[in-house]
Amino acid sequence: AQSVTQPDIHITVSEGASLELRCNYSYGATPYLFWYVQSPGQGLQLLLKYFSGDTLVQGIKGFEAEFKRSQSSFNLRKPSVHWSDAAEYFCAGSTGGFKTIFGAGTRLFVKA
Amino acid sequence: DVKVTQSSRYLVKRTGEKVFLECVQDMDHENMFWYRQDPGLGLRLIYFSYDVKMKEKGDIPEGYSVSREKKERFSLILESASTNQTSMYLCASSGGTNTGELFFGEGSRLTVL
Repeated sequence: AQSVTQPDIHITVSEGASLELRCNYSYGATPYLFWYVQSPGQGLQLLLKYFSGDTLVQGIKGFEAEFKRSQSSFNLRKPSVHWSDAAEYFCAGSTGGFKTIFGAGTRLFVKA
Repeated sequence: DVKVTQSSRYLVKRTGEKVFLECVQDMDHENMFWYRQDPGLGLRLIYFSYDVKMKEKGDIPEGYSVSREKKERFSLILESASTNQTSMYLCASSGGTNTGELFFGEGSRLTVL
């Protein structure tokens, strides 16, 4: 069965430190991959997406993600976290149909 | 920018009441979706629509119905609300190619007492 897994339920990072959020996918073929961010009480906003080509994808707000086929991973990174990055992050995959599969989410806490 | 607007941000209803959640998008998108979000479960697809008057069940359609009479509007209906339908409901839309990239509304938090 197709699935998207985010192994970490929550992560705490100091402001200014680097961040990596993990995402693993299980699909028969390489899916389209996405990272979304959700601030408290808000909807989801797209951070970045991978369709094909360059495996390092740049997104908004200084985020990037790297697609690794051998590891079935699409991890999200940011070199220096700001307090405003505290939110919930969702990894998602799609094969181009109507059913995007979301991971359970990783909540990021940023400490001063 | 795509704007997806959900008419009610917070609702409190009683068990057995009929509930309407409305969603409007302004980018002429063909596809519209209703998701339910619960802690630890991520987003689960309730229903989607790929055209006016067309609808398809998602993964958890039980207890819900939908209506799409106009391209820009997609409504979620709970015929008889139950306490286990207390949740955050998210509407989303996408264009014709449907790569899976979704544009979300701000969500409607429903509490059923």
